[in-house]
Amino acid sequence: NAGVMQNPRHLVRRRGQEARLRCSPMKGHSHVYWYRQLPEEGLKFMVYLQKENIIDESGMPKERFSAEFPKEGPSILRIQQVVRGDSAAYFCASSPGQATGELFFGEGSRLTVL
Amino acid sequence: DQQVKQNSPSLSVQEGRISILNCDYTNSMFDYFLWYKKYPAEGPTFLISISSIKDKNEDGRFTVFLNKSAKHLSLHIVPSQPGDSAVYFCAATSYNFNKFYFGSGTKLNVKP
Repeated sequence: NAGVMQNPRHLVRRRGQEARLRCSPMKGHSHVYWYRQLPEEGLKFMVYLQKENIIDESGMPKERFSAEFPKEGPSILRIQQVVRGDSAAYFCASSPGQATGELFFGEGSRLTVL
Repeated sequence: DQQVKQNSPSLSVQEGRISILNCDYTNSMFDYFLWYKKYPAEGPTFLISISSIKDKNEDGRFTVFLNKSAKHLSLHIVPSQPGDSAVYFCAATSYNFNKFYFGSGTKLNVKP
C-alpha cells in the first residue's frame, strides 16, 4: 500500500497523558498537513510541514500541541497533557509539492480521552 | 472564521437523478478549489478540482462549477448512484498551497 499511513488508528488516553500520532506520507511526497475533525464538524487545519521545517502552524493550539517532520521517519503530532476536548479524529495528508493542489489523506487516527 | 461554508448538512436524492452540492467562500484570494468524498471511518479522497481561471471542470459523472463573482461553487453528480452516498467536503486554497480550508461537509444519501 503506497498510500498515506497513519498509526495508531485508534488511541485511548487518560486525561494528563501524552498522545503521539504518526504519519508516513506517500512515497515521494515531502509535504505533510495535519487536520483535526471534531464530531459532526468539518476538517480544521492544524499545521503544514515540509521535511525538517514547519511552514504554517497557525491552526495549532498555542500550548500542548507540537508537530515535526524529521529528515528521516514519519511526521509526528504530539499532544501533551491531553484533555477530553482533544478527543477527535486527526487526519494527515501529503502532497508532492506546490505544483499540485491535491492532498492525499490517510485514514485518520481517532483519539479518545477518558 | 469560516472561510468555506457548506450550508446544507444533508441531501437526499433518488438513484439516477442529479445531485447538486453547494459551497460558498468568502476569501477572494483563493485560487484553487477541490471536492473530497469521505466514507465513515476513512480518510477523505480527492474527487475533482477547479482552478480560479476556469468556470467548469468535468470528470465523468462529476462536474464542478465555479462562479467567482458570487464566490460560489457547486458539484454536480449525474446520474447519482447509491455508492455515491458519503460526506462531501469542498476545500479552497491559494496557489501557495500552504493551507487548505474545508467546509463542514454535506452528507449525501442516494436512495436506490
